[in-house]
Amino acid sequence: ETGVTQSPTHLIKTRGQQVTLRCSSQSGHNTVSWYQQALGQGPQFIFQYYREEENGRGNFPPRFSGLQFPNYSSELNVNALELDDSALYLCASSLQGRVGYEQYFGPGTRLTVT
Amino acid sequence: QQQVKQSPQSLIVQKGGISIINCAYENTAFDYFPWYQQFPGKGPALLIAIRPDVSEKKEGRFTISFNKSAKQFSLHIMDSQPGDSATYFCAALGNTPLVFGKGTRLSVIA
Repeated sequence: ETGVTQSPTHLIKTRGQQVTLRCSSQSGHNTVSWYQQALGQGPQFIFQYYREEENGRGNFPPRFSGLQFPNYSSELNVNALELDDSALYLCASSLQGRVGYEQYFGPGTRLTVT
Repeated sequence: QQQVKQSPQSLIVQKGGISIINCAYENTAFDYFPWYQQFPGKGPALLIAIRPDVSEKKEGRFTISFNKSAKQFSLHIMDSQPGDSATYFCAALGNTPLVFGKGTRLSVIA
């Protein structure tokens, strides 16, 4: 069983640029959720994808968008980067409808916006 | 509005001691309460979780105590070890996506 993987590990971007982060789900999982974790804070829910459709969204502006692919991998895209977007971006996979609700996190992508 | 309130913000425990972290919630629709452990530079790792139909769940040195009437739950780490030094997050899920507390930084000193 393979765990959740994310790429890249670290990324430095300039304000106003666009960024794409990638996530591969844990084997057998069909749902992907993305979270933003600012330094010293708990993760904040951005959105969730199930069967390639957005299945819930947190309080994040439309410049945060995503995709889920048929193999359940996923992308997070952020346009018009702002300094406050600097954070650890986490992807979590789960099995939709499973009673346990377990979500398993990847190692994250550390994004720095300068 | 913070949906899950976690305390303390930081905790220092002697090796072999008991670490206790507390969380409180308001949303009675929450029906799943996990705890995550996070080491620096890593993603959160699911540690243990509980549903509100039980008052306690134990896995090894880790125990969750759940008080449904008080809307509180806590994590107890027995025989705390230096390797337990990490940030711990409580979370809750129900009719909302997974909501996290702000975290507790635990330091276990020898």
